Amino acid sequence: DGGITQSPKYLFRKEGQNVTLSCEQNLNHDAMYWYRQDPGQGLRLIYYSQIVNDFQKGDIAEGYSVSREKKESFPLTVTSAQKNPTAFYLCASSSDGSGKNIQYFGAGTRLSVL
Amino acid sequence: SQQGEEDPQALSIQEGENATMNCSYKTSINNLQWYRQNSGRGLVHLILIRSNEREKHSGRLRVTLDTSKKSSSLLITASRAADTASYFCATETGRRALTFGSGTRLQVQP
Repeated sequence: DGGITQSPKYLFRKEGQNVTLSCEQNLNHDAMYWYRQDPGQGLRLIYYSQIVNDFQKGDIAEGYSVSREKKESFPLTVTSAQKNPTAFYLCASSSDGSGKNIQYFGAGTRLSVL
Repeated sequence: SQQGEEDPQALSIQEGENATMNCSYKTSINNLQWYRQNSGRGLVHLILIRSNEREKHSGRLRVTLDTSKKSSSLLITASRAADTASYFCATETGRRALTFGSGTRLQVQP
């Protein structure tokens, strides 16, 4: 069953805690992305990675970190420096081959602060 | 920063009617895409139109692009209750990450 899997579906963060959101894809895509969505808003880019062991900051990278050690995996850590982490987080991937950059999304992780 | 801005922000229509939503953007693009998001779910790609195309069809969807006005429209014909969702335009500018608009929330009343 091909696609992108995000886990967990719901996550709660305590004050001062770092939490990690998982994103795994079996589409053999080179590029992966993390977006943040606030209620009633569009998507804002946090980080993206075009190849393994390389990633770039997006528009709102402060307070977040990522790694890309494997092609299939692109975990996002929400650090304690992110003062307003409550949001819906979406992971996506795309194949670079066509140049169209059509993105395939996971089902999302909803993060709340306790 | 938001590249695309959708209009209207919300739209409510009856089943069988057509729904039109618009998107404006600010910079030159390689292509423009439309995505659909059901409540609390991920986005699903609907249709892509390249910068050198003016109109594209896919089933009940029709997309137009006017690069001189930096605008696009998405028309859904003969809408169904199952079309209820949020619709986002996204622009591809060559920086390898899409820029999404703020979305139009469509409600189709049965």
